[in-house]
Amino acid sequence: GAGVSQSPSNKVTEKGKDVELRCDPISGHTALYWYRQRLGQGLEFLIYFQGNSAPDKSGLPSDRFSAERTGESVSTLTIQRTQQEDSAVYLCASSFWGGRPDTQYFGPGTRLTVL
Amino acid sequence: DQQVKQNSPSLSVQEGRISILNCDYTNSMFDYFLWYKKYPAEGPTFLISISSIKDKNEDGRFTVFLNKSAKHLSLHIVPSQPGDSAVYFCAASATGNQFYFGTGTSLTVIP
Repeated sequence: GAGVSQSPSNKVTEKGKDVELRCDPISGHTALYWYRQRLGQGLEFLIYFQGNSAPDKSGLPSDRFSAERTGESVSTLTIQRTQQEDSAVYLCASSFWGGRPDTQYFGPGTRLTVL
Repeated sequence: DQQVKQNSPSLSVQEGRISILNCDYTNSMFDYFLWYKKYPAEGPTFLISISSIKDKNEDGRFTVFLNKSAKHLSLHIVPSQPGDSAVYFCAASATGNQFYFGTGTSLTVIP
């Protein structure tokens, strides 16, 4: 497809379970970002990948959160032992990289609900 | 610590009038600013950007103004249309990896 895609679109899980969220960026975009948006709040940066550089993990809220990216394509965000406060919309974005952050193109998000 | 702030959670405007959405930031190192528009159940879409070397950028009905001394930017939409009803986020970056986003302003354009 032409845009950023994310799956699943919705995920309901029980507290304590692990979840995996997937992002397919736009082809050719070397930069990939994960954000989350909790209810009534803004977009919160989680992690950033750029090419083969070490990812910027400074936004990950705890060691239960991790993400991987295969080359310059698919990325997965994993949340272990989910908690109710993890409930949010998780957004992925990709962009070109011209030496600095450029306009990001967002996917539709995955709505995670932890019961 | 919220480095980018949108202090108005909502705004209502009559169709045809001007919509003004405001954004304040605290980090003087920010040098690139963007506005995104978000419809329900969709990801944010890029609307307009401005570099700190400018104080104004215009694209059709949308104009972004930057006041560096006040650390303030605003988005003007004129004339406003019902299809402009959405949540608008401002974002800022320095020469690093991250964009910092505000909490958003929900705009309703009343027909």
